[in-house]
Amino acid sequence: SQQGEEDPQALSIQEGENATMNCSYKTSINNLQWYRQNSGRGLVHLILIRSNEREKHSGRLRVTLDTSKKSSSLLITASRAADTASYFCATVLDRGSTLGRLYFGRGTQLTVWP
Amino acid sequence: DAGITQSPRHKVTETGTPVTLRCHQTENHRYMYWYRQDPGHGLRLIHYSYGVKDTDKGEVSDGYSVSRSKTEDFLLTLESATSSQTSVYFCAITSAHNEQFFGPGTRLTVL
Repeated sequence: SQQGEEDPQALSIQEGENATMNCSYKTSINNLQWYRQNSGRGLVHLILIRSNEREKHSGRLRVTLDTSKKSSSLLITASRAADTASYFCATVLDRGSTLGRLYFGRGTQLTVWP
Repeated sequence: DAGITQSPRHKVTETGTPVTLRCHQTENHRYMYWYRQDPGHGLRLIHYSYGVKDTDKGEVSDGYSVSRSKTEDFLLTLESATSSQTSVYFCAITSAHNEQFFGPGTRLTVL
């Protein structure tokens, strides 16, 4: 089964609104990474948050991590039509795992309407 | 893009033929990975490498082999392609800061 699961599976908002996507995972992690993927394209790395960090920012992105709840959230503020994409969380397990391998969820499809 | 290229970018082949996909990186990263992406499954690890001639299996390795004779190249071979191997294949590296970056992908269709 998937280590990471995103919620919701699909999200539709208007430009200018904020978009929040959540990720839950099952076992202890070393770090969690968020990716964006436009339709038919490759994965773009957005942000990495380590297990000892609680919040990170990058431009309009804000990622939080709650290891007690085994969950993370990705907030995109002031969304734009260009933010339309699938967003994935991926975890690197804390121990006993293939070196650095990522466990992916199935993603959240974000649609931002002009 | 962390200096990762994949070739070919698109390939159509027939069942039973051998296929080799190439991943090339220019930044001397030690760890390299091959994933496949399929609808409803997300990305799944096929094989990975932790150095020249050091490789190991991931969760969906059946039907695939890999080789790494140089740091910069990681090859994925389908010895005898099957329709179930129709997928998008991504190569990835892990940076010094543990971020994993992906190549542009190879779309493989097995008829």
